[in-house]
Amino acid sequence: GAVVSQHPSRVICKSGTSVKIECRSLDFQATTMFWYRQFPKQSLMLMATSNEGSKATYEQGVEKDKFLINHASLTLSTLTVTSAHPEDSSFYICSASKGSGNTIYFGEGSWLTVV
Amino acid sequence: AQSVTQLDSQVPVFEEAPVELRCNYSSSVSVYLFWYVQYPNQGLQLLLKYLSGSTLVKGINGFEAEFNKSQTSFHLRKPSVHISDTAEYFCAVSAVGGGSNYKLTFGKGTLLTVNP
Repeated sequence: GAVVSQHPSRVICKSGTSVKIECRSLDFQATTMFWYRQFPKQSLMLMATSNEGSKATYEQGVEKDKFLINHASLTLSTLTVTSAHPEDSSFYICSASKGSGNTIYFGEGSWLTVV
Repeated sequence: AQSVTQLDSQVPVFEEAPVELRCNYSSSVSVYLFWYVQYPNQGLQLLLKYLSGSTLVKGINGFEAEFNKSQTSFHLRKPSVHISDTAEYFCAVSAVGGGSNYKLTFGKGTLLTVNP
């Protein structure tokens, strides 16, 4: 079946630094990927829609300059958290659609801890 | 815009008992409906989805859900749960048509705890 992989699964960074999270579709091409954020014991909140070859579409309230999204190829989207602060600590999950059957596949998620 | 309400934040049940996790949605357009399961510290796994056709949808791990358009509900059921079903369950919707087909709106989740 389709697989979406995220890397790293866990990352700790210092406050003020930037960290990149990768989302890859391993066995299919994904023109659109989605980035979600999940706080502990809460639901997933859509941050942005990542479109291959064009700018990402951000949800209201999400800082574009802080959460940089790049969809460089049909199998890779990256989320870069710039100038990270402790409040950015969260579980970040990406998803991708194979384009048929409206099935969305999720990555394993990435835990970001900013200290 | 769509919204999803999962009426129970936590549902404790005993092993082999039946369970129903409730989900109601609100939308001004037609929607697709999904149930996902999330095990601790992991991503989401699709349990089942309703796109069209029969309102009773069967998914993996013995789960099923019924779409009720008049009540705008999509409740998840399992006749007999196992310890391994302990997880967080999310109901989600996406609008039909256009580029928003894969843009999901999630409920807040229901923690199912199966006790021996």
